[in-house]
Amino acid sequence: AQSVTQPDIHITVSEGASLELRCNYSYGATPYLFWYVQSPGQGLQLLLKYFSGDTLVQGIKGFEAEFKRSQSSFNLRKPSVHWSDAAEYFCAVRPGGYQKVTFGTGTKLQVIP
Amino acid sequence: DAGVIQSPRHEVTEMGQEVTLRCKPISGHDYLFWYRQTMMRGLELLIYFNNNVPIDDSGMPEDRFSAKMPNASFSTLKIQPSEPRDSAVYFCASSPPGTGYNEQFFGPGTRLTVL
Repeated sequence: AQSVTQPDIHITVSEGASLELRCNYSYGATPYLFWYVQSPGQGLQLLLKYFSGDTLVQGIKGFEAEFKRSQSSFNLRKPSVHWSDAAEYFCAVRPGGYQKVTFGTGTKLQVIP
Repeated sequence: DAGVIQSPRHEVTEMGQEVTLRCKPISGHDYLFWYRQTMMRGLELLIYFNNNVPIDDSGMPEDRFSAKMPNASFSTLKIQPSEPRDSAVYFCASSPPGTGYNEQFFGPGTRLTVL
């Protein structure tokens, strides 16, 4: 069965520092990959997605993610974090076809001044 | 543009009572999803509709849960009777034609507490 792992439950970074959130998936073929952000008390918002093609994907709010087939990873990055980026981030995987999305357990990001 | 609208935002009820959660998808979207989020199980898909027709309800936990979509602009998720283990945040999401799971827009959620 497909699975998605976010190994970091909680990450703290200083404002202005760079950020990388890890995501690994377990699936034979290359699935569709997503990153969502959830601010406190809000629903999830799609940051970016990867289906095929260029392995470096640009998203909204200055985020990017890189697909690495050899590592079965889809890590999210941002070069300089802002206090407003404090939220929970979810990686999600979908095998394709009519199969549903499976969400990771989330990584909670804290930004300190 | 209005996003996905859910009501109520918070619901507190007692065990055994009927609970109805409501969702208005984004106009023009033809997919609608119901999710449940808990600390223990994360975000789980309960059911989804396409063009008002239920397509996959395999995530509905048991017969106490039911969902309907009488028209393109309204859906309900009903729990009868409710139990304390149903306490969670319930999200509705919609997506545009042709995108399905690939472009979901989530509502703000309904936080349900069953005492």
